[in-house]
Amino acid sequence: AQKVTQAQTEISVVEKEDVTLDCVYETRDTTYYLFWYKQPPSGELVFLIRRNSFDEQNEISGRYSWNFQKSTSSFNFTITASQVVDSAVYFCALSDVSGGFKTIFGAGTRLFVKA
Amino acid sequence: EAQVTQNPRYLITVTGKKLTVTCSQNMNHEYMSWYRQDPGLGLRQIYYSMNVEVTDKGDVPEGYKVSRKEKRNFPLILESPSPNQTSLYFCASSLSGDIPNYGYTFGSGTRLTVV
Repeated sequence: AQKVTQAQTEISVVEKEDVTLDCVYETRDTTYYLFWYKQPPSGELVFLIRRNSFDEQNEISGRYSWNFQKSTSSFNFTITASQVVDSAVYFCALSDVSGGFKTIFGAGTRLFVKA
Repeated sequence: EAQVTQNPRYLITVTGKKLTVTCSQNMNHEYMSWYRQDPGLGLRQIYYSMNVEVTDKGDVPEGYKVSRKEKRNFPLILESPSPNQTSLYFCASSLSGDIPNYGYTFGSGTRLTVV
């Protein structure tokens, strides 16, 4: 069965600190996709990254980086030198073949970045 | 501008009064989906559509209907709303719901209150 677990409900950091948001997933498929989305206080949902199961390369985009490890079924998201504008709820999501490519979401992690 | 447009943004209604939330996308996406967001539960899929005239149930379809008569539109219908359908609703679209999965573009959300 598909499952996405974001064990951290809320995280609070001070500006310029690094922070890692954890995501653990479950799937029995070998072909699947993982995603991160951001929901700022304004409420919209913004796509951040997609990773397919055959590409375990870590990715860096500015202050954002993602660590995909199939061995531990994790797809963690790190923000380096956090800023107040990073305050948001972050969702990890999974889409796989046996789920009919329905995308399921974790419960989200609320990040507070204090000035 | 490429976007998913949902209307209305806010809606307060009474139990049993039929309502429709509209969703339209201008990106020629094949795949469209409806999610509801509730605190602590993340986003849960209500219905999805792989293409015109092709719809299927997500994880929480009870009490909802959808239709996909045109590629761009995917309305969500609540025939007899109840208070447990009070939630934040998101429409999403994606180029394809099949392999590969490109990730979603989300609408701005509809906050529905049923009293």
